[in-house]
Amino acid sequence: AQSVAQPEDQVNVAEGNPLTVKCTYSVSGNPYLFWYVQYPNRGLQFLLKYITGDNLVKGSYGFEAEFNKSQTSFHLKKPSALVSDSALYFCGLDQAGTALIFGKGTTLSVSS
Amino acid sequence: DGGITQSPKYLFRKEGQNVTLSCEQNLNHDAMYWYRQDPGQGLRLIYYSQIVNDFQKGDIAEGYSVSREKKESFPLTVTSAQKNPTAFYLCASSIFGGRDTEAFFGQGTRLTVV
Repeated sequence: AQSVAQPEDQVNVAEGNPLTVKCTYSVSGNPYLFWYVQYPNRGLQFLLKYITGDNLVKGSYGFEAEFNKSQTSFHLKKPSALVSDSALYFCGLDQAGTALIFGKGTTLSVSS
Repeated sequence: DGGITQSPKYLFRKEGQNVTLSCEQNLNHDAMYWYRQDPGQGLRLIYYSQIVNDFQKGDIAEGYSVSREKKESFPLTVTSAQKNPTAFYLCASSIFGGRDTEAFFGQGTRLTVV
C-alpha cells in the first residue's frame, strides 16, 4: 500500500535559521511527491513537486525539497526561515494516478 | 478569477440532518476531490471523481454521498449516517490523468454539529 508520513508534528526554528520539514513515503513504482502549505482556516496552497529529474526541486516562496530515493524521503527545506513561514505543511503522494494522499501535517513555528 | 469556490464557509447541522456542501470550479479540470481535515489526522480522502457521471470512494466514504452531473460541480452530502461530521472539509480539482499535475484547493467549509 502506498503511504506518506511526516514524523514530526511540530518544528520550531528561529527566524533566519535554515528549516527542514521531513517527509517519508512508501510506494511501488515511481513516486510523484508534492508539498503544500496551509494557513489557518484556509485551503492548501501548492509549493512544489517532484516528478523526475533533479533530486533538488525548487518551489514557491524560496522553498526547496530534496528527493532521496534510497531513504524514500522528500524533505522540505528553506535556507533562511521567515516568521511568515509559520503554517501547517503537508506532504502529498500521488496514489497511482487517482488522488493525492497526505501525511498528517507538520506545524512550522518560526520565532522572531 | 479562476479557481475553486466552496460554500458556505461555515455550516451548522443538527443531529439527524443531511447537509450538502457546495464545490464549484471554473478551471476546466476533469478531476475533483473531497477531503476531510481533523486536527492531528491530516487530510483524508472521502470521494473523488475523474470524469462527469463517475466517482469513486476514498478512504472514509461511509456516511457521505456525492454527485458529478456537471464538470464544474461536485457537491458533497453529509448524511445522518455520518456519526462524527464535525470537521473542516476541503474540495480540490486537478487535470485528469496527470500524475505530475498539482491539485488546486478551495478555501474549505467548516461543519459543526449542534
